[in-house]
Amino acid sequence: AQTVTQSQPEMSVQEAETVTLSCTYDTSENNYYLFWYKQPPSRQMILVIRQEAYKQQNATENRFSVNFQKAAKSFSLKISDSQLGDTAMYFCAFTYQLIWGAGTKLIIKP
Amino acid sequence: GAGVSQSPSNKVTEKGKDVELRCDPISGHTALYWYRQSLGQGLEFLIYFQGNSAPDKSGLPSDRFSAERTGGSVSTLTIQRTQQEDSAVYLCASSLTGSVNEKLFFGSGTQLSVL
Repeated sequence: AQTVTQSQPEMSVQEAETVTLSCTYDTSENNYYLFWYKQPPSRQMILVIRQEAYKQQNATENRFSVNFQKAAKSFSLKISDSQLGDTAMYFCAFTYQLIWGAGTKLIIKP
Repeated sequence: GAGVSQSPSNKVTEKGKDVELRCDPISGHTALYWYRQSLGQGLEFLIYFQGNSAPDKSGLPSDRFSAERTGGSVSTLTIQRTQQEDSAVYLCASSLTGSVNEKLFFGSGTQLSVL
């Protein structure tokens, strides 16, 4: 069965610091997609970044980047220069976005 | 509309009653998803509609749950004979074509509380 695991229930960092959220997954597929979504208190999920498994280059979107290790089935999210507005739940999701991790609550402290 | 709209935003019901949750996707989006988010947990896939194809109902937890999508647009998720374990946030999302790598656009969800 395909699974997604986020091992950090909650993290807290100071504003402007860099933080890394971890995600591991299990699949027998060779080609797939991975996603990070952010859920602020408004509950509305917002796509942060996505990665195609056949691409070796790690995806980057402004302050957000991923470290994709296909052999290790690891897909971590790095947030640089963290801002107060980054405070939210972060979810990792797999392929058709039918399989999601339990989420990491990220708190950015002023 | 400009985004995915869900109603009601909050619903309180008594155990055993039926509830209907509504989702209005972005105009032109052919794919529509329903998820359930229980407290402290990730999203649980419920059902997926893609155009005129038969929906993927593989995530529905029991036969008390059903959903329909009329005219390829608005969708209604119905929960019959609600139980306390049905209490959760129900999220709806849509995407343009349903492709495997496509961005999903989410509504703000319906918080269902079964007393």
